[in-house]
Amino acid sequence: GQNIDQPTEMTATEGAIVQINCTYQTSGFNGLFWYQQHAGEAPTFLSYNVLDGLEEKGRFSSFLSRSKGYSYLLLKELQMKDSASYLCAVMDSNYQLIWGAGTKLIIKP
Amino acid sequence: EADIYQTPRYLVIGTGKKITLECSQTMGHDKMYWYQQDPGMELHLIHYSYGVNSTEKGDLSSESTVSRIRTEHFPLTLESARPSHTSQYLCASSAGGDAGELFFGEGSRLTVL
Repeated sequence: GQNIDQPTEMTATEGAIVQINCTYQTSGFNGLFWYQQHAGEAPTFLSYNVLDGLEEKGRFSSFLSRSKGYSYLLLKELQMKDSASYLCAVMDSNYQLIWGAGTKLIIKP
Repeated sequence: EADIYQTPRYLVIGTGKKITLECSQTMGHDKMYWYQQDPGMELHLIHYSYGVNSTEKGDLSSESTVSRIRTEHFPLTLESARPSHTSQYLCASSAGGDAGELFFGEGSRLTVL
């Protein structure tokens, strides 16, 4: 079966750095996506990786290793508004997105 | 600013009622999706469409139907609502092809009593 694993919850301090990991086992691979979802709101797109390596976008970076079935989302200079759930999703061989359950990130002052 | 709209945002209804959740997008996207999401859980694909007159079933489709008569419109219908249908329903669209960047509506939160 297809599976996306990410930690259920993480806590970090304002101004710090946090890394959210995602491991996946899917039927084929056509890219990995990270979405941010604030409580009670819809997900919004953060990043996309299809080749191995690091993609940087401001305070957020995403890394992919296809051979290891592994990705992480790195958030720097954490702000209170970064408190949200972070969803990892993989596009499989049928170009369908397989979603993880999300990691709830709690930022403390 | 949202270019994909869902109505109603909140709905409380009784068991056995027929309901339609509306979704419209103004981006001209070919692909549209309906997801169901319970709090703290992953998104489950209910239905999707590749374009006009194209509809496909996802994982949780057996108790609902969709139609795609116009590019911009993708309504979801529950013929007979049950308490187990209580959930958040999210509509999304994408540009198609291998584009995985989805644009989500604000969601319809359904409660069935």
